[in-house]
Amino acid sequence: DTAVSQTPKYLVTQMGNDKSIKCEQNLGHDTMYWYKQDSKKFLKIMFSYNNKELIINETVPNRFSPKSPDKAHLNLHINSLELGDSAVYFCASSQDHRVWGTQYFGPGTRLLVL
Amino acid sequence: AQSVTQLGSHVSVSEGALVLLRCNYSSSVPPYLFWYVQYPNQGLQLLLKYTSAATLVKGINGFEAEFKKSETSFHLTKPSAHMSDAAEYFCAVSAAQGGKLIFGQGTELSVKP
Repeated sequence: DTAVSQTPKYLVTQMGNDKSIKCEQNLGHDTMYWYKQDSKKFLKIMFSYNNKELIINETVPNRFSPKSPDKAHLNLHINSLELGDSAVYFCASSQDHRVWGTQYFGPGTRLLVL
Repeated sequence: AQSVTQLGSHVSVSEGALVLLRCNYSSSVPPYLFWYVQYPNQGLQLLLKYTSAATLVKGINGFEAEFKKSETSFHLTKPSAHMSDAAEYFCAVSAAQGGKLIFGQGTELSVKP
């Protein structure tokens, strides 16, 4: 069983479109995250939810909107896609948001905006 | 504020040689440090983590790292490289609040036969 899964794995779309990426974890964890990995492989936190409550919201354009319907799911909706949104988006989860916790990453969603 | 610096964006070693990937951190509070590995087109996998217990931490696949407070370092080593070790390696520090990971720039490890 996949611990942290993301769909879709690849996403190719036109500028201006709206798209969503879904994430699910079956580890029973309370906390989930979204990270963005740019073309230079630099990873940066975007959002974090603990038991459906937003706890981290980094400086991210408001075109990005996370939504957590329950603690096992954290989806990312992106409005009006721009070329600069092209990246790999990783979902992760941890038992809780204590600083020493291990985060488990999904396989990533490779987004290409044309 | 916390940060991580990985020295060397690319390291190349021969199979069987020592692997040394360097990581220095900056933190105003006792740090929690992690090494993750990313194989091509895959997600990140935890290699090991330092959580203020033993300063020498052993991880998976024969890797280990030593926390040195005086040098603010957490370098990753493996005595003998294997071809399967070729990947991108990330050092990270856990932020004081919220548990978010702050990553270094990554080091690509190549292993030559």
